Amino acid sequence: KNQVEQSPQSLIILEGKNCTLQCNYTVSPFSNLRWYKQDTGRGPVSLTIMTFSENTKSNGRYTATLDADTKQSSLHITASQLSDSASYICVVSPTSGGSYIPTFGRGTSLIVHP
Amino acid sequence: DADVTQTPRNRITKTGKRIMLECSQTKGHDRMYWYRQDPGLGLRLIYYSFDVKDINKGEISDGYSVSRQAQAKFSLSLESAIPNQTALYFCATSDTTVTGGGGPQHFGDGTRLSIL
Repeated sequence: KNQVEQSPQSLIILEGKNCTLQCNYTVSPFSNLRWYKQDTGRGPVSLTIMTFSENTKSNGRYTATLDADTKQSSLHITASQLSDSASYICVVSPTSGGSYIPTFGRGTSLIVHP
Repeated sequence: DADVTQTPRNRITKTGKRIMLECSQTKGHDRMYWYRQDPGLGLRLIYYSFDVKDINKGEISDGYSVSRQAQAKFSLSLESAIPNQTALYFCATSDTTVTGGGGPQHFGDGTRLSIL
């Protein structure tokens, strides 16, 4: 069964600090991996998307990395802001030849304190 | 205006009632999805549609049905609601030009459904 495991489950940091969120997956073969940010009471918003051949993708202060050999991805947030407080979700999509259904992780809840 | 609009945003109803959740999008995307989110669980796919004539079951389709009325509209129905269908429901869209499919790109802000 395809799985996506995220760690830590929750994280509290001080404003201005950096942090890294982890995503391990078993989806294989996979087509791409996407990170989303979900604010409380809102729908998820896509931050980055990487295909299996890409190692890194940035979006402002957010940088995602991918190691397809170890099936691991990370999301690094630089110089955190209060507005970064949200849930961050990792999603892995299989190749179109197999089951289409993307697998969602349960998310990491990030709280940024002033 | 939001790119993906869901109505209603909140709904409280009773067991056994028929419920319809509606979704409309202005992105011009062919692919639309319905997801369910429960506390502590990841989003789970209920149904997805790659175009107006294409409807596919997701991982948890039992107890749900959908209708793709137009490219821009995708509705989700609960024919006879039960309490364990209480959840946050999201509609999403994606563009076929995204490399490898890519899954949902744009989500609505959800419908919070409570079934008593």
